[in-house]
Amino acid sequence: KAGVTQTPRYLIKTRGQQVTLSCSPISGHRSVSWYQQTPGQGLQFLFEYFSETQRNKGNFPGRFSGRQFSNSRSEMNVSTLELGDSALYLCASSLLPGQEWEQFFGPGTRLTVL
Amino acid sequence: TQLLEQSPQFLSIQEGENLTVYCNSSSVFSSLQWYRQEPGEGPVLLVTVVTGGEVKKLKRLTFQFGDARKDSSLHITAAQPGDTGLYLCAGDSHDMRFGAGTRLTVKP
Repeated sequence: KAGVTQTPRYLIKTRGQQVTLSCSPISGHRSVSWYQQTPGQGLQFLFEYFSETQRNKGNFPGRFSGRQFSNSRSEMNVSTLELGDSALYLCASSLLPGQEWEQFFGPGTRLTVL
Repeated sequence: TQLLEQSPQFLSIQEGENLTVYCNSSSVFSSLQWYRQEPGEGPVLLVTVVTGGEVKKLKRLTFQFGDARKDSSLHITAAQPGDTGLYLCAGDSHDMRFGAGTRLTVKP
């Protein structure tokens, strides 16, 4: 069974640009969560999607948004990039929402904002 | 302020030594997870503890959940270089909260 895949793995953008990251969950998993990981703040929850609906949202500005498609694939978008948005963005999937004890992470997308 | 405080932040030991890392909080969690993350990869789930006082063993790793479900520890016996990585604890409190991690280096 293939794991969680994220594309692209690495991305370099400049301030003010926008970026879209993609996540394909494990086959059969319907819940997708996104996290931001930085050396200073550690791993922070961005949002969770299930059945194409955002179920939960962390404490991030509105520049961070996401969506989920009918095949459970998810995308997150960051608009008007800032230097501080440089981070590893991780996606995790589980069968159903609220099943954090069976949550599997992808390898992440390393975003660098110059 | 981290909801989950992990200690120590960094740990460097020799192969064969034992170690314990801690995860503490003032909040009660319904469950707590431990992950290991290697450079360039996402965290990999090691264990989930659910019951207060629960002890789980995974080969040389022993996980304990505090009686009050506010803290946890991870003990590694006879550490090996392959144990090197970032160890993260996480708990469910409305949304998933992660500790800052303990970065373990095991030298051969």
